[in-house]
Amino acid sequence: NAGVMQNPRHLVRRRGQEARLRCSPMKGHSHVYWYRQLPEEGLKFMVYLQKENIIDESGMPKERFSAEFPKEGPSILRIQQVVRGDSAAYFCASSRPRGTQYFGPGTRLLVL
Amino acid sequence: DAKTTQPNSMESNEEEPVHLPCNHSTISGTDYIHWYRQLPSQGPEYVIHGLTSNVNNRMASLAIAEDRKSSTLILHRATLRDAAVYYCILRDVGGSQGNLIFGKGTKLSVKP
Repeated sequence: NAGVMQNPRHLVRRRGQEARLRCSPMKGHSHVYWYRQLPEEGLKFMVYLQKENIIDESGMPKERFSAEFPKEGPSILRIQQVVRGDSAAYFCASSRPRGTQYFGPGTRLLVL
Repeated sequence: DAKTTQPNSMESNEEEPVHLPCNHSTISGTDYIHWYRQLPSQGPEYVIHGLTSNVNNRMASLAIAEDRKSSTLILHRATLRDAAVYYCILRDVGGSQGNLIFGKGTKLSVKP
């Protein structure tokens, strides 16, 4: 039973480019959460999604960031026009309804 | 989610038990106590959770005070692989089942 999968594991972008981070939840999990961990800091919640719905995006920056979890396929966290401050580890977690969250290995984004 | 307080760091010797404390004096009746850990360069890993009674699993034990205002994660025999940051998190399962709020956690060092 595969765990939460994230790809790519490492992503390098130049300032102004777009970054797309993908997350495949565990089998049977319909809820996905995205968190960001800046260097030497703790994890901060970004967004909570169910299939085709954004439930809570209170932690998402107002501009350049968006997330989706389509009916088919992985959840996508999209960062447009990346800046150096976006360099961080981005973690995805998944759960069943009201269930324990299980995390993926993360995507480490480096913006040059 | 209510706030938790943990020591910034702790040290242990290999093969000795480790008791990691967590204070949560404002815990509500529907808050579960969750523990996660994060090994270097990895995503958070679920360890254990409980509501009122002490809990055991293959990774650890969770001892919950009778008044539920504090809890202790117990690693029975620490190994070098247990060196990680341990997070104690309260989660209201009666609520919207959204994000986890990560504090600074306790950085556990294990000496050979």
